[in-house]
Parts: sequence; structure tokens; C-alpha cells
Amino acid sequence: GQQLNQSPQSMFIQEGEDVSMNCTSSSIFNTWLWYKQEPGEGPVLLIALYKAGELTSNGRLTAQFGITRKDSFLNISASIPSDVGIYFCAGPNSGNTPLVFGKGTRLSVIA
Amino acid sequence: GAGVSQSPSNKVTEKGKDVELRCDPISGHTALYWYRQRLGQGLEFLIYFQGNSAPDKSGLPSDRFSAERTGESVSTLTIQRTQQEDSAVYLCASSLSTNQPQHFGDGTRLSIL
Repeated sequence: GQQLNQSPQSMFIQEGEDVSMNCTSSSIFNTWLWYKQEPGEGPVLLIALYKAGELTSNGRLTAQFGITRKDSFLNISASIPSDVGIYFCAGPNSGNTPLVFGKGTRLSVIA
Repeated sequence: GAGVSQSPSNKVTEKGKDVELRCDPISGHTALYWYRQRLGQGLEFLIYFQGNSAPDKSGLPSDRFSAERTGESVSTLTIQRTQQEDSAVYLCASSLSTNQPQHFGDGTRLSIL
């Protein structure tokens, strides 16, 4: 089946810094989703992308759907301590089938 | 509430016992999914239900795992003869239909002694 590769696996940044993480696939995706998971909780949907080239923002978060349809990135500007968590990308496996998730990028913010 | 609800939030049991985990999806969501998340790992797909179609069980790791769903409502995930490697967080999600964004519950943390 399709797989999603996320990088980096983990990041340690200073509060106030900008963050960039990405997600790539060997095959085309028609939808890209970004989730955040905090300790002890389930993943929460941050941004959904449905069109190649689409750039969507949600507060300090910005995500883009790559033109090739094989990648997406998520940027966080001016990071704060509550940004800590694991960020997952996800997309439909194929057709009308469930989502495939990447293994996540673990973000740590140092105050 | 309006979100996906899972119970219990934590479960500790002895090896060899059976456990049953429950998921209440968001009302109106026809698709329901179960995932397993081991400590520090990503989400491992187990099974999903879509409406009245036969469930996709392709992710179940062994025949000790099974799941049921009543119509488009509650689902239960059952693990029989639990093993220590079953220790994980079991997450449930629902969506309006497959390939739509999934909304997750907070999971059941299962610990097998």
C-alpha cells in the first residue's frame, strides 16, 4: 500500500522560532491532512488540503499541497510552548479507502 | 458531547484475559475506524466500517482481534487472550464517509500485565 514519509522525525526548537516539516509519498495523493496529537489525547485535525498547489492557513499554521501531488509541508510560525506534540500527515490510500498516516514529527519547544 | 467518545480511558488487565473497548462516533458519521498506537509510534490501522458494507479487517494483527458495529452507531473492539504486546493506546475515529477527514477520540490506554 501507499506510504507517507515524514521528516524530520523530531525537532527541538526555541520558542519564537519558525518550524517546517514535510511529508512525501511515492504515489499521488488527492487529499492531504495534517493532524496534531498531544500527550494523552487523540489526533486533532489542523488543516485539510484538497487541491494541488493549495496553500491554506490556520492561525500560525500554514500548509501546502505540493504541485506534484506527492508531497505537502506544514509550517508553524513564531512557535510557542503549546505547539509541543506530534504532527501527523495523512491522506486517502486510494479511491474510497481509509487514510494512510505518516509516522509523525515530534516537536519540542524550549521556552 | 459532539466528539468521538471512547471508554474506558484506561484499562489494566492480566495476560490471557479478554478485553472490550467501546467507541461512540460522532452522530451522522457513516465511517468508523480503529487504530493502535504503540508508545512513541504512529497510528497502525486495524479495521474500518463504512455504512452497511462488510468491514475492512485487513489491519487486524491476529484472529484474537475482532470488532463489531451496530448500524452507524457504537462499535466495540474485542481482544481475546490478551498478550503483553497488545499494550498500546487504541484510538477510534469517525468521518462522514471514507477519505473524508477523520475525527479521533482520546483513546483507550490498554496495559497488559
